[in-house]
Amino acid sequence: DAGITQSPRYKITETGRQVTLMCHQTWSHSYMFWYRQDLGHGLRLIYYSAAADITDKGEVPDGYVVSRSKTENFPLTLESATRSQTSVYFCASSLSGGNTDTQYFGPGTRLTVL
Amino acid sequence: KQEVTQIPAALSVPEGENLVLNCSFTDSAIYNLQWFRQDPGKGLTSLLLIQSSQREQTSGRLNASLDKSSGRSTLYIAASQPGDSATYLCAVRGGYQKVTFGTGTKLQVIP
Repeated sequence: DAGITQSPRYKITETGRQVTLMCHQTWSHSYMFWYRQDLGHGLRLIYYSAAADITDKGEVPDGYVVSRSKTENFPLTLESATRSQTSVYFCASSLSGGNTDTQYFGPGTRLTVL
Repeated sequence: KQEVTQIPAALSVPEGENLVLNCSFTDSAIYNLQWFRQDPGKGLTSLLLIQSSQREQTSGRLNASLDKSSGRSTLYIAASQPGDSATYLCAVRGGYQKVTFGTGTKLQVIP
């Protein structure tokens, strides 16, 4: 039972390059989320998805693009990476988005933009 | 805008002590509050979830309380162990899947 996985775990890229972070869950959860974690800011929601082909913005969506063609996958793309996007990115999922639903987190991707 | 504060930012206690971690939030219109644990270099692990209609939840040595009217939650850890050393995060959920996290309390339990 793999649960929720993220790849790559570590990534170094240069300013202006396109980068895609992958997230895969094996539970068939409806909801998936992308967060970034920065010192002094805690975790902040970038985008979330309620189902395949349904996505919505979170608190800090600028500079990011998401898609969800399959329930189990939720890739996050930085179309033109900037140094301010250096961060640790976490993917999460929850069963139905209800009030009793726990969010389950992946191990994170540490992204460095030079 | 919801703001979540956790005090203290860091805490060091000897093994065996009972301890309390604090979380406060500014907007009482929440659906639930969750406590998570984060180990270095790892993702978050959910510890307890309290719905807005509940006052507390318990799991083993952990007890979390919620006072929505005052915008406060506490996580009580009984008989602390070195394995409890981690960063503890609280998160409140508002509408439209908006979850606001605190910046965490880093706990060190000294053997």
